[in-house]
Amino acid sequence: NAGVTQTPKFRILKIGQSMTLQCTQDMNHNYMYWYRQDPGMGLKLIYYSVGAGITDKGEVPNGYNVSRSTTEDFPLRLELAAPSQTSVYFCASSPGGDTQYFGPGTRLTVL
Amino acid sequence: QQPVQSPQAVILREGEDAVINCSSSKALYSVHWYRQKHGEAPVFLMILLKGGEQKGHEKISASFNEKKQQSSLYLTASQLSYSGTYFCGTAGGYRDDKIIFGKGTRLHILP
Repeated sequence: NAGVTQTPKFRILKIGQSMTLQCTQDMNHNYMYWYRQDPGMGLKLIYYSVGAGITDKGEVPNGYNVSRSTTEDFPLRLELAAPSQTSVYFCASSPGGDTQYFGPGTRLTVL
Repeated sequence: QQPVQSPQAVILREGEDAVINCSSSKALYSVHWYRQKHGEAPVFLMILLKGGEQKGHEKISASFNEKKQQSSLYLTASQLSYSGTYFCGTAGGYRDDKIIFGKGTRLHILP
């Protein structure tokens, strides 16, 4: 099992550009999450999903969108990138709100 | 609401003990502990549930005081491999599908 995979590993965007961060898990988990991590600020929940077709906002959803068309995939869309979105983004999955398995992260810089 | 962790950072010598605290202003159903090494993804350590049921890591223990809405993580006879940032995450109810993480406690073990 690959677990949770994220692409890309690194990305530099210009202000106003858009991009999609990909997240895939092969553990057949229903729950999936997107976090951002800024230095010294811990993990902030952006969006989460409890199953295909169901998504909900977390603590910091503004500027992001998600979709969950399959159990395996949970892409995060950034529209009109801003410098404040410079961060490390982690995707995680869980079988049922218990242990979360994190992907390796995507380091995003917006210039 | 984000749980509060203390201390923010601690430096120990190998073999010494450490306690990391996590407190919340709201009633808790579960407390989750994760460790993150520099440049890596967070890794699950332990979950503590309301009612006393505990799961987790064999060499690190934790307590959960439901009345005080607090949890403590105990690292005894610390090893070099314990270095990293420790995060607590809290959930308010059995049907709470998400956990909210604290800002983390940085632990550095010296040889």
